[in-house]
Amino acid sequence: QQPVQSPQAVILREGEDAVINCSSSKALYSVHWYRQKHGEAPVFLMILLKGGEQKGHEKISASFNEKKQQSSLYLTASQLSYSGTYFCGTAAGNTPLVFGKGTRLSVIA
Amino acid sequence: NAGVMQNPRHLVRRRGQEARLRCSPMKGHSHVYWYRQLPEEGLKFMVYLQKENIIDESGMPKERFSAEFPKEGPSILRIQQVVRGDSAAYFCASSPERGVSYEQYFGPGTRLTVT
Repeated sequence: QQPVQSPQAVILREGEDAVINCSSSKALYSVHWYRQKHGEAPVFLMILLKGGEQKGHEKISASFNEKKQQSSLYLTASQLSYSGTYFCGTAAGNTPLVFGKGTRLSVIA
Repeated sequence: NAGVMQNPRHLVRRRGQEARLRCSPMKGHSHVYWYRQLPEEGLKFMVYLQKENIIDESGMPKERFSAEFPKEGPSILRIQQVVRGDSAAYFCASSPERGVSYEQYFGPGTRLTVT
């Protein structure tokens, strides 16, 4: 079942923060986060495994709440380079990833 | 270290022709995934292969589509007798190990247009 991402789109000014959510109706084993710029390949950001851990990469971090079957991606002090569409991919077990429809993020000066 | 390579980047085919899409995984990766992406949509899983084996093809249409990953050479996604609905971007991704606990690295994609 396809995870639901929210919001569908968001516009930020440079330096502002954003949160992107990814919710599933199934118990999750892993959540992958990717960013894709128009016409380019998705770029791997991070992966979270069952266990409620949180990961960080510079000013981008993510959490995984098993009980809520939800993951959130946190972007702090956004930069112009953060613009793109963010996808979460989820797996209930050792099954293929199912990707959400994406959240379009636009950062403006 | 070269990333995932796909060719061609753009492919135009008339209805009824065959399309062959190639994917060379990152060095050291023996796991390949193929995805299809329509405009404004997410990525849809098609097939997962290891060298010489199809592990999971649950996302691939039963007819006209096939995939292989030979011992030597790139992975190939083959679409026979293409129809307009096959027009999409096709991405492959490679992974160092089996399973969804490991990150997948995507290639630049092949944009297929069926006229």
